[in-house]
Amino acid sequence: SQTIHQWPATLVQPVGSPLSLECTVEGTSNPNLYWYRQAAGRGLQLLFYSVGIGQISSEVPQNLSASRPQDRQFILSSKKLLLSDSGFYLCAWSPTANTGELFFGEGSRLTVL
Amino acid sequence: AQSVTQLDSQVPVFEEAPVELRCNYSSSVSVYLFWYVQYPNQGLQLLLKYLSGSTLVKGINGFEAEFNKSQTSFHLRKPSVHISDTAEYFCALRTYTGGFKTIFGAGTRLFVKA
Repeated sequence: SQTIHQWPATLVQPVGSPLSLECTVEGTSNPNLYWYRQAAGRGLQLLFYSVGIGQISSEVPQNLSASRPQDRQFILSSKKLLLSDSGFYLCAWSPTANTGELFFGEGSRLTVL
Repeated sequence: AQSVTQLDSQVPVFEEAPVELRCNYSSSVSVYLFWYVQYPNQGLQLLLKYLSGSTLVKGINGFEAEFNKSQTSFHLRKPSVHISDTAEYFCALRTYTGGFKTIFGAGTRLFVKA
């Protein structure tokens, strides 16, 4: 069966520090991968999605970036965090030929101080 | 552009009472519609989905939703809620614009009281 993991689960970082959140999927190949951010009362905002290795689409201009160095690995990064980057980050995957659901990781809560 | 509007940010309800969480969508192309549930500090999990066919879809935990194309709605219902249904519920649509993307509503927090 397929599983998705993301880490770290909780992160407290100072303003201006770098960020790296990692997500891996097991049990499937060539998944579509997604990063969402969830801010209180604002639902889920799609940040990035990827349909293959090295293919990244950005939905919202910001100081975050994403990379997909391997088929089932998706990384969210920042060189310098802002206070506004605080939130709950969710990684998700879906099958390639798809009319179906997203499968979510457990989430990473980032607090920028 | 596609969008999803959840009409209630919070819905308080007593245990064993019925509940309806409202969702309207906007899209110029065909969409697939979903309801997800999120328990505190966890990821989302699928409750139910509408892809095609019967407009009444049944999901897990006794939830169901009805797709209404003329009213562009996809409301979620449960005839009798439990304390354990307390969670945040998200309506979402999935569409293809250069890649499959899912757009979520802002969420509705269901609070079930004893």
